[in-house]
Order: sequence, then C-alpha cells, then structure tokens
Amino acid sequence: QSALTQPASVSGSPGQSITISCTGTSSDVGGYNYVSWYQQHPGKAPKLMIYEVSNRPSGVSNRFSGSKSGNTASLTISGLQAEDEADYYCSSYTSSSTPLYVFGTGTKVTVL
Amino acid sequence: EVQLVESGGGLVKPGGSLRLSCAASGFTFSSYSMNWVRQAPGKGLEWVSSISSSSSYIYYADSVKGRFTISRDNAKNSLYLQMNSLRAEDTAVYYCARAEGGSYLGYWGQGTLVTVSS
Repeated sequence: QSALTQPASVSGSPGQSITISCTGTSSDVGGYNYVSWYQQHPGKAPKLMIYEVSNRPSGVSNRFSGSKSGNTASLTISGLQAEDEADYYCSSYTSSSTPLYVFGTGTKVTVL
Repeated sequence: EVQLVESGGGLVKPGGSLRLSCAASGFTFSSYSMNWVRQAPGKGLEWVSSISSSSSYIYYADSVKGRFTISRDNAKNSLYLQMNSLRAEDTAVYYCARAEGGSYLGYWGQGTLVTVSS
C-alpha cells in the first residue's frame, strides 16, 4: 500500500489561509472517516492536530480544520501564524492489516 | 499527563540487534493499543508495528516482518521493540505512540535514534 499523496510544500503570508490536500484510495481515506493530521516541528515529535477527519483535540487552535471529499482529505490553516511553520502529515486507517496506518508524504508549510 | 519515553537507541552494525523500550505514564497503559512509528533522516513517517492492549493482536509493516518483534509488559507499563537483522535502511528515529480507538495516534514519545552503520 502506497503512502498518501500530499503536496511537498505550501506557503502563505501571515493572516492568510492555506489548505493541504491528502489523496488516498477507497481502501484508506475514502473508505473510513479515520483521517488524522499531525504537525511536526524540526527535531520534535509529531503532534496530533485533527482526528477522524474534522475533530480537534483539546488545546489545538480552532484555526486548524479538516474535511474530506471522496478519496481526498484536506487540512486548512486559517489566520496563518509564524509558529504554524512546520511539516504536516496526514494519516488514515486502512482496510489492510499491513500497514495498519498509512501516512502521507508530508507537506512543508512555510510562512512568508 | 500522558508521557511516553523511549530508550534503547544507538549505533549498531548491519546484521546486529537492538531492543527499544517505551515507558508509559499518566494513563492506564493496559487499556490501550500501542504502536511504533519510525522516521528516517529527512524522510516521512512510517508505521512499523502495533500491539493490542492484551497483546492478542499484533501487526507489522512488510518492511520489518520477520525481523522485528513488538511486545509489552502491562505490569511495568512498558512497550518494547526487539529489532534483529538490522539493515542500513532501518536507520531512523523510532517513536512509540498510543492508539486512540484504533483510528489515530493521539500521543507520541520524543523518539529514540537508531543508526545502522558499519
């Protein structure tokens, strides 16, 4: 099973909104509402930002939102801030036992 | 506060073995499935292995099947990854992560670096 497809990089100016796409198949993204998004700053562990397509864990800013249409999920960051500059990975539960979780290729978000 | 602390990483020669540990605290460890996820230098995340709360269900990525063994000790609140026949391509930071309802990974440790090199 291949990694989910994300754009390599997305950039925006402070205050703007950006959207990161995550494309999979009907065996993962399209088949389940189990898409999650992780933020990773350099040298740090990934941090959960969105789970089950559109839910935010406690403590995560409401500037982060998620959605899904068919086999493509999206993460939108509104009111972009300097601290949002990081790598972002989507992930999905899969219908296969291996891999149990498939991750996206990762997107570097740059705040201009 | 949920804490996951990995240890056991280091430098090992190709073909060698290493055992990673993950010490859990701040939650009822025996109630959660646990996972290992790795990240090669400059690369993305790769799921490695998963073990259910009672060790009844165990899964591996094809890339490590037959070489790695995941286990846990609920009495010690600890997760393990025994890595044998290590290859250069196993070089990565290894994270332990708690599964939430099986659908996503809610908490991650800080990671431990494994370097396979002669």
